[in-house]
Amino acid sequence: QVQLVQPGADVKEPGAAVRVSCKAAGYTLSMYAMHWVRQAPGQSLEWMGWIIAGSGSTKYSPRLQGRVTFTSDTSANTGYMELRSLTSEDTGVYYCTREGTPPGLDAFDLWGQGTMVTVSS
Amino acid sequence: SYELTQPLSLTMALGQTARITCGGNNIGAKSVHWYQRKAGQAPVLVIYRDSRRPSEIPERFSGSNSGNTATLTISRLQAGDEADYFCQVWDSNTGVFGGGTKLTVL
Repeated sequence: QVQLVQPGADVKEPGAAVRVSCKAAGYTLSMYAMHWVRQAPGQSLEWMGWIIAGSGSTKYSPRLQGRVTFTSDTSANTGYMELRSLTSEDTGVYYCTREGTPPGLDAFDLWGQGTMVTVSS
Repeated sequence: SYELTQPLSLTMALGQTARITCGGNNIGAKSVHWYQRKAGQAPVLVIYRDSRRPSEIPERFSGSNSGNTATLTISRLQAGDEADYFCQVWDSNTGVFGGGTKLTVL
């Protein structure tokens, strides 16, 4: 079954970093772009950027540039999103999603269930 | 930055036709995608490139895009259509989402 599998939740303290995983099942990660999208409580979806696992190419939202890093492990067919210097405004659901290549042109045709990240002391 | 405007909510009766709008400056020149997210579930692509429907999506779902408004139309509403719906475009290589519309089916 083609799907993206994410952990359910994580809790971090302010100032810490969070790393969210996204395992691709049923297809080869490196054949597609992986995007990350988040949603804070009461807010709309926010696009965070993408990574092409096959080449390691990345593009980040200007709003998060410098604080976020996407990586991938093609042997594990898994992508990762790391967000640093967390504040309460980073609390929300983080989704991984898939697009064909080149990225930035078409729709997201597959989504993970989302990981709830809570930033709290 | 480019902005997309959606109504916060829409309430319709079973069997009716719902039209969810997505407003943006000259959005007709862009390719619009629509996603459905039911409570507790992953989002699902329901319309891509303005009006194309993935094979697994019922024909009751359709889309259009012209001028400053894109529209997602859901005919013969069912209880299972109750969900949040988001529109999305690309602008200057950046993904942009609308605020989302909560569709309630009575």
